[in-house]
Amino acid sequence: NAGVTQTPKFQVLKTGQSMTLQCAQDMNHNSMYWYRQDPGMGLRLIYYSASEGTTDKGEVPNGYNVSRLNKREFSLRLESAAPSQTSVYFCASSIGRGTGELFFGEGSRLTVL
Amino acid sequence: GQQLNQSPQSMFIQEGEDVSMNCTSSSIFNTWLWYKQDPGEGPVLLIALYKAGELTSNGRLTAQFGITRKDSFLNISASIPSDVGIYFCAGQKGGGSNYKLTFGKGTLLTVNP
Repeated sequence: NAGVTQTPKFQVLKTGQSMTLQCAQDMNHNSMYWYRQDPGMGLRLIYYSASEGTTDKGEVPNGYNVSRLNKREFSLRLESAAPSQTSVYFCASSIGRGTGELFFGEGSRLTVL
Repeated sequence: GQQLNQSPQSMFIQEGEDVSMNCTSSSIFNTWLWYKQDPGEGPVLLIALYKAGELTSNGRLTAQFGITRKDSFLNISASIPSDVGIYFCAGQKGGGSNYKLTFGKGTLLTVNP
C-alpha cells in the first residue's frame, strides 16, 4: 500500500536554483494538496487541486508553482529557490474536496543555502 | 487568515499518565479533526468529528467537538512511549470554497518510560 509517495525525500539547493517536488497517489483520490511545515508554524497550505485540471492558491503560494499532471500526480516547483523556502514539504490527498480526511506523504526536506 | 489556538504547545509526561489537549478558535467550524505526526513521518488522521457535541473514541484516544463549534478536545488515556509525536488539530468550515483545512500549530508530546 504505497498511498502518497513524494520524491525526493531530501534536497539541498543553492539560492536561485530551481527544482520540482513530485507527488503521486494511488488511492484514486480527486483532491491533492501541498503543505509546508516550519518549526512552531504548524502546517500551511501552499497550493491545492480540488480535482484533475484545477489548481488554486493556498495560504502561502508566493515563490511556488504547481502542476496537476493527471489524477495521480501533483508536482510543486520552486523556480528560484530562496533560503526562506527551507522547510519540510508534505503532499496530501483526499477523496474529494469536501472532506478534511487527508492522507499525507512522508515529506520532503528541502534546504536552501 | 484563520487561526486555531492549540494548547499546550508541549507536554512532558510519565508513561501511564492521561493527557489532555485542546484547540480553540474565534470562528465556527463544521468539522474538527485530530492528526498525529510521528518523528520523520507525515501526519496521520486519528479522529474526525462532524457534529457539535459529538464524542468519539479510537482506542485510548477520545475527542470531542465543542458544543459552540469553536473548540475541540483530545484526551489520551494511559499514555505509552509510542504516543510520542506532534498532535495537530484541524478545522474545516465546509461549503463552497471553505473546504480547506486550517491547522493548529501542534502539541509536542513526550512520554518518559
